[in-house]
Amino acid sequence: EAAVTQSPRNKVTVTGGNVTLSCRQTNSHNYMYWYRQDTGHGLRLIHYSYGAGNLQIGDVPDGYKATRTTQEDFFLLLELASPSQTSLYFCASSEGQSGNTLYFGEGSRLIVV
Amino acid sequence: SQLAEENLWALSVHEGESVTVNCSYKTSITALQWYRQKSGEGPAQLILIRSNEREKRNGRLRATLDTSSQSSSLSITATRCEDTAVYFCAMGTNTGKLTFGDGTVLTVKP
Repeated sequence: EAAVTQSPRNKVTVTGGNVTLSCRQTNSHNYMYWYRQDTGHGLRLIHYSYGAGNLQIGDVPDGYKATRTTQEDFFLLLELASPSQTSLYFCASSEGQSGNTLYFGEGSRLIVV
Repeated sequence: SQLAEENLWALSVHEGESVTVNCSYKTSITALQWYRQKSGEGPAQLILIRSNEREKRNGRLRATLDTSSQSSSLSITATRCEDTAVYFCAMGTNTGKLTFGDGTVLTVKP
């Protein structure tokens, strides 16, 4: 069974649209992450959290909000989507900080037209 | 990423050969991890090597870490077609973030 589940797996929206990407983990991990992946850039960290109600800013946060409602659920919000946010988004969880293994979901592909 | 980067964009080998992917980084780390991403999947960790370790093995995989030169390598012996994937190094620091390199595309040909 997948321990990190993302939805939707694919999404097309228009410029200026509102998008929410959802992530649920069943690993009982404290840390959760949102990354975006673009050709030539690898994975870039958008936001992360170490517990319900906590939010930490990543390396490319502009244009994104995030909310951790429970230990299991982490949401990424794009309130005014732009074509530059067309990307493959990955959620991950880990037990602790950067010295621990990250477990990734299968990704959510977002296209902004 | 400017903080971590693999040294080659793409590599190609034939099945059974050995291959090494190199990574360099630019800051103090607590640990360095190697991940593999197959087409259509999320990344999966291969090896985690802490800053006080010099070498780690996992089956056909061997990772080294040289903190003085701020570099790491991942070697795969007896490659198989199913090793075809993108390989990332990822550096962990005491900020709690894990920063990934841009990845090396490895193709293993029959």
